[in-house]
Amino acid sequence: DQQVKQNSPSLSVQEGRISILNCDYTNSMFDYFLWYKKYPAEGPTFLISISSIKDKNEDGRFTVFLNKSAKHLSLHIVPSQPGDSAVYFCAAYSYGKLTFGQGTILTVHP
Amino acid sequence: NAGVTQTPKFQVLKTGQSMTLQCAQDMNHEYMSWYRQDPGMGLRLIHYSVGAGITDQGEVPNGYNVSRSTTEDFPLRLLSAAPSQTSVYFCASSYSALQSSGANVLTFGAGSRLTVL
Repeated sequence: DQQVKQNSPSLSVQEGRISILNCDYTNSMFDYFLWYKKYPAEGPTFLISISSIKDKNEDGRFTVFLNKSAKHLSLHIVPSQPGDSAVYFCAAYSYGKLTFGQGTILTVHP
Repeated sequence: NAGVTQTPKFQVLKTGQSMTLQCAQDMNHEYMSWYRQDPGMGLRLIHYSVGAGITDQGEVPNGYNVSRSTTEDFPLRLLSAAPSQTSVYFCASSYSALQSSGANVLTFGAGSRLTVL
């Protein structure tokens, strides 16, 4: 039973446009959410996070939105750059553990 | 700083063989964990430790053993490898036990790719 789901395995975007990556969760006990970015042959690296008491957190080109009633979060990248091409994982925290989604492969075309 | 170091980077095993994946961190992190990454499954927690001498099971612990005798090291042992354990394994650490705050940021190693024939 996958508690954190990223239903889009891949996303292709033109450079300069907006990338929107989505994540859904089922466990209402999750109270902190994170996005990680992973390049090939490297480990995931932390990108941005949001507490369940907020609905938006922004860091430069990256914004995470949280809709608690829909149990949905999204990552917006504006503008998208070719260097953003990577696998993006969303993760949710509850009771001392992080649960990750399946990942979405983002490709940004020049 | 080296961060989180995993060895080996690649390993091929035959079914039934045993091996240990090594993980070391030099950041004085209390929390360490092991994840496996499989296609379509994301990262799944195998075992974790909130400090030396303390370990606990994650989502997929079967077939794996861990111990935490020092703060720096958290080895993952496969006692009798099976083809289902073919995966990429990531070790990750954090300054303290995970909690509902910014202290949840994990630092990952580069991964160890294991193939079991």
